Amino acid sequence: KAGVTQTPRYLIKTRGQQVTLSCSPISGHRSVSWYQQTPGQGLQFLFEYFSETQRNKGNFPGRFSGRQFSNSRSEMNVSTLELGDSALYLCASSLRTSGAYEQYFGPGTRLTVT
Amino acid sequence: AQTVTQSQPEMSVQEAETVTLSCTYDTSESDYYLFWYKQPPSRQMILVIRQEAYKQQNATENRFSVNFQKAAKSFSLKISDSQLGDAAMYFCAYRSAFGSEKLVFGKGTKLTVNP
Repeated sequence: KAGVTQTPRYLIKTRGQQVTLSCSPISGHRSVSWYQQTPGQGLQFLFEYFSETQRNKGNFPGRFSGRQFSNSRSEMNVSTLELGDSALYLCASSLRTSGAYEQYFGPGTRLTVT
Repeated sequence: AQTVTQSQPEMSVQEAETVTLSCTYDTSESDYYLFWYKQPPSRQMILVIRQEAYKQQNATENRFSVNFQKAAKSFSLKISDSQLGDAAMYFCAYRSAFGSEKLVFGKGTKLTVNP
């Protein structure tokens, strides 16, 4: 079974631009979460989607948005990019069963804002 | 809000030796899950081991085991017979049992394995 895939893997953007990142979960997984990873702040939760509905949102400005499609693929968008948005953006998917179920992470998209 | 603290930014161990990584957390919830994730350099984050808070028995996965002390809110990871492939960033994470997927991560511990 294919793992979580994220595209693109690397991206360089200029301040003020906007960017869209894509995540394809493992087949059959309907839950997708997004995280931002930076050296200073570590791993921070961005959003959580289940069956096309945003279930939870982290403490990020409104420039960060996301959505999930009917095939469970998810996208996140960052508008008006700032230098501080440079980070590794990780997507994770799960079956969202009961108990300590595993969340499977993708390889991430490395975003550099210049 | 829940917090997770990993007090050791870096640790090193000799190959075949044992190392323990520390993690403490803070929560007012009674039911939750705890995880250790491994992130090798330039590779995907993978789950190492998981623990359900209502279970008193410490989880074990091959060479990896945890020491879960619920009252002390402590969740350490022990790696036995360390191998070169164990070198990675290790993250302790908390997830509420009440519906959310959100993982709260510690800052991580960079583990170096010396041959």
